[in-house]
Amino acid sequence: DQQVKQNSPSLSVQEGRISILNCDYTNSMFDYFLWYKKYPAEGPTFLISISSIKDKNEDGRFTVFLNKSAKHLSLHIVPSQPGDSAVYFCAARSKETSGSRLTFGEGTQLTVNP
Amino acid sequence: EAGVAQSPRYKIIEKRQSVAFWCNPISGHATLYWYQQILGQGPKLLIQFQNNGVVDDSQLPKDRFSAERLKGVDSTLKIQPAKLEDSAVYLCASSPDLNYGYTFGSGTRLTVV
Repeated sequence: DQQVKQNSPSLSVQEGRISILNCDYTNSMFDYFLWYKKYPAEGPTFLISISSIKDKNEDGRFTVFLNKSAKHLSLHIVPSQPGDSAVYFCAARSKETSGSRLTFGEGTQLTVNP
Repeated sequence: EAGVAQSPRYKIIEKRQSVAFWCNPISGHATLYWYQQILGQGPKLLIQFQNNGVVDDSQLPKDRFSAERLKGVDSTLKIQPAKLEDSAVYLCASSPDLNYGYTFGSGTRLTVV
């Protein structure tokens, strides 16, 4: 039961252009969403998050959009830089769980070409 | 601030053997998590501790996996006996409290042959 789905295993963009990474979810009890970035041989690092009461959150070059009716969120990176090349994971928290368990998607490998 | 420390970085064992992983969280972080990441998949929570108590272990295969966090600081995760499908990266993370500011360690890559 894949509750968080990232349908694109990979994405390639040119430096300076926009990168758009997508994520779909099925669980209507998810109330908080996060994006993590992962470089090879390192653990994931937190990038940006959004609460279900908002539809947009921006932090520098990174913007996350949430469409609750479509159960869809996206991460926009503008402008993309070669150092952004990494695996990006979408994650969600359910208000049903007692702790702070995150459910992760499969990840999207972003490659930014110089 | 020192990050989350994990050891070993790599481990290769034969099926049916036992293995243990160690994690030292960021100093002062009350919440500690163990995640399993199988190749091509996202991380999946195995167990979450708040200080030395278990908050969530609903996805831990308790017949073979065990974890402890004595004294509410560092933690060990054990697999006994290992199966081929346990091959994965085991990630430890910590946060100051039950929020979502996780800091992950670099993980232990386990290969079961």
